[in-house]
Amino acid sequence: DGGITQSPKYLFRKEGQNVTLSCEQNLNHDAMYWYRQDPGQGLRLIYYSQIVNDFQKGDIAEGYSVSREKKESFPLTVTSAQKNPTAFYLCASILQGGTGELFFGEGSRLTVL
Amino acid sequence: RKEVEQDPGPFNVPEGATVAFNCTYSNSASQSFFWYRQDCRKEPKLLMSVYSSGNEDGRFTAQLNRASQYISLLIRDSKLSDSATYLCVVNPRGPSGTYKYIFGTGTRLKVLA
Repeated sequence: DGGITQSPKYLFRKEGQNVTLSCEQNLNHDAMYWYRQDPGQGLRLIYYSQIVNDFQKGDIAEGYSVSREKKESFPLTVTSAQKNPTAFYLCASILQGGTGELFFGEGSRLTVL
Repeated sequence: RKEVEQDPGPFNVPEGATVAFNCTYSNSASQSFFWYRQDCRKEPKLLMSVYSSGNEDGRFTAQLNRASQYISLLIRDSKLSDSATYLCVVNPRGPSGTYKYIFGTGTRLKVLA
């Protein structure tokens, strides 16, 4: 079955450590997104990529980095520069020119100790 | 003013009730509109797209009012399983057809037995 796979589902890290969240999709979708969700808040866009080897900052990109070396993969690195990284991270993808539906992975819950 | 605004709720309704949510958006050039459902600690899933003429899917009806810049979701004959957070999502369709979705903070619905 096609879909988006995020890993790990739960992650704990110490302050000052970088961590990379994986996002892989086999839907042949062009665009991929990373969102952050905090309690009581909507999803906020971190980074997005419309094609391989190209990506743009979203609204809250500071302290994060991404790469898009393959169409299927869009990993997110949460760096030590991110002041408040504890959150629920969601990866999504969309087929450009399609219905406009965003497909989401199951999310990664990051807790900084 | 937020780009997409929703009443956070919670809306507590008895089983069988009809409940309606509204969502307002600020960008009059917005092109696409959606309602997503999000269960606690899970990823959002598409409930329905919202078309200009309005659309219905079983017990769910979505409406778009471009003049007043709001969309609505009506749920008839509420079920316990409808308890979730309902996210309003707007796509302003930026330059070069960028798919940059804006999420509301969500409206919590709790259906009571």
